[in-house]
Amino acid sequence: GAGVSQTPSNKVTEKGKYVELRCDPISGHTALYWYRQSLGQGPEFLIYFQGTGAADDSGLPNDRFFAVRPEGSVSTLKIQRTERGDSAVYLCASSSSPSSYEQYFGPGTRLTVT
Amino acid sequence: GENVEQHPSTLSVQEGDSAVIKCTYSDSASNYFPWYKQELGKGPQLIIDIRSNVGEKKDQRIAVTLNKTAKHFSLHITETQPEDSAVYFCAASNYQLIWGAGTKLIIKP
Repeated sequence: GAGVSQTPSNKVTEKGKYVELRCDPISGHTALYWYRQSLGQGPEFLIYFQGTGAADDSGLPNDRFFAVRPEGSVSTLKIQRTERGDSAVYLCASSSSPSSYEQYFGPGTRLTVT
Repeated sequence: GENVEQHPSTLSVQEGDSAVIKCTYSDSASNYFPWYKQELGKGPQLIIDIRSNVGEKKDQRIAVTLNKTAKHFSLHITETQPEDSAVYFCAASNYQLIWGAGTKLIIKP
């Protein structure tokens, strides 16, 4: 079946601009996670949704980062006033439920801030 | 909070030999330990996982062992093949995955 998809695959933006990154989870998966991965490092947790609500947003680095999941399926990660330090691969994962533990990842969006 | 350390950072083995990657964790409440394989330009792929009530799990050429007392777990790959070359990540979870820094596995032909 279809896995997690993310769009765009690559995004180049200028410092100070606003970007939106989209994640389509596996159909029926209620839990959705956003991670950020810098070169040579493991993924870093950003935010976790259970259904439509953000159950844990403790990983968001500051208030320039925001994520929504209005209908409990597709999620959008929004970054305002981008900075060069925001450059990374943004990964999305979904899980059939919080208690299932197994997370399945999309291919990521590579964000480059110039 | 949880901290996961992973060793080695790079591992080079001859094709057909075995590879072992080790991780330690700090939070005794962690009860789920997955291993992910990440190829260049792709997202992490779950290859095997183990829960805290099990000491070992095997899936064909891949096995994971867990020692809860010592708080460490290991990935074992036998009969390595060129397609095993990738970066491997361990993680520990109570509900949120905390990741190791990764091991670059190189399979020499």
